[in-house]
Amino acid sequence: SAVISQKPSRDICQRGTSLTIQCQVDSQVTMMFWYRQQPGQSLTLIATANQGSEATYESGFVIDKFPISRPNLTFSTLTVSNMSPEDSSIYLCSVEDAMNTEAFFGQGTRLTVV
Amino acid sequence: GENVEQHPSTLSVQEGDSAVIKCTYSDSASNYFPWYKQELGKGPQLIIDIRSNVGEKKDQRIAVTLNKTAKHFSLHITETQPEDSAVYFCAATGNTNAGKSTFGDGTTLTVKP
Repeated sequence: SAVISQKPSRDICQRGTSLTIQCQVDSQVTMMFWYRQQPGQSLTLIATANQGSEATYESGFVIDKFPISRPNLTFSTLTVSNMSPEDSSIYLCSVEDAMNTEAFFGQGTRLTVV
Repeated sequence: GENVEQHPSTLSVQEGDSAVIKCTYSDSASNYFPWYKQELGKGPQLIIDIRSNVGEKKDQRIAVTLNKTAKHFSLHITETQPEDSAVYFCAATGNTNAGKSTFGDGTTLTVKP
């Protein structure tokens, strides 16, 4: 299994500002995934982050709004840029085990934009 | 792309009863179907999964069935307990990455003591 730590666990931000969310894993992983979970709703994949290459974004998500860094095999960041109240969500980091057979999630970052 | 529908959105059962949550998917290429439990303030946690070469899988009080022809799969929880109360998500993925899934909308399960 993998243990994932996300920081911050929650934040309240002013509109127009940016927030960077950190994801630290206790083991080396090839792929890391960022999801968004809007209040009371399901999880939607934002992007897949590989070490050493640009992240791959899903339809509806763009790099200018959600820049991602993946400097090594245990760490990634997601930035939510130029925030608006519609960005208020839980942002979740996820990784796969070494066999790509199981996914693990961090506890999430609860973001409120005011 | 893949589309996953999940029913019901809320489910309330008495302690000791069984609970069943159903999902359908659209992409016949999907071959991995995990179920996650999400408790308040926490990330989803895998509770059971099934792959397309298996029709049923059981782990103690939890079981999952898969009908590839009909493109639906179900979660069965027997002898429910109050601690089973949570939001349950089904998911499907057609590629080799378990972490890159399409999720259903979730079912809020309440087990009344």
